[in-house]
Amino acid sequence: ETGVTQSPTHLIKTRGQQVTLRCSSQSGHNTVSWYQQALGQGPQFIFQYYREEENGRGNFPPRFSGLQFPNYSSELNVNALELDDSALYLCASSSKSGAPTDTQYFGPGTRLTVL
Amino acid sequence: AQKVTQAQTEISVVEKEDVTLDCVYETRDTTYYLFWYKQPPSGELVFLIRRNSFDEQNEISGRYSWNFQKSTSSFNFTITASQVVDSAVYFCALSPNSVGYQKVTFGTGTKLQVIP
Repeated sequence: ETGVTQSPTHLIKTRGQQVTLRCSSQSGHNTVSWYQQALGQGPQFIFQYYREEENGRGNFPPRFSGLQFPNYSSELNVNALELDDSALYLCASSSKSGAPTDTQYFGPGTRLTVL
Repeated sequence: AQKVTQAQTEISVVEKEDVTLDCVYETRDTTYYLFWYKQPPSGELVFLIRRNSFDEQNEISGRYSWNFQKSTSSFNFTITASQVVDSAVYFCALSPNSVGYQKVTFGTGTKLQVIP
């Protein structure tokens, strides 16, 4: 069984640019969630996708957007990058619509640095 | 609004000692779930336990045990006979049961260092 994978591992961008992060869900999982983890902080929920539709969102501005594809892989897009967007971005997949009873399996994350 | 407080930023123990990680939460939801996750240096979060707010039974899994006390809004995690492999950052988290997704709020984490 393949776990959750994320690409790229590291990324450096400059302020104002746009970035796309990718996540491949664990086999058989139909739900993906994205989190932002600033250095020394706990992860913050960005949004969740279930069967290609966003079904939950945290307190992040619209310049954070996402997509989930028919194979349940996912993208996180961030426009107009700001210095505060520098963080570890974690993707998690689960198999039962992402309800609180659903166990999430996390990828290793993408470390984004905005200069 | 939800809030999770992990007051212990860093803890160091010598191998084989017991250690308790504290977690205090705030929520207005009547039903909710509490979680503990482990984050090793490799970065991915590893799920350890989920507890329903209706279930105040303590749980033991090997060297791990959890003490949920609704009266004090606490969900503490104890590692017995700690090992070097337990070194990691541990996060307590909370999600309401009123929405159809995991609207998870994480604490700021406790970094545990187990010294051989």
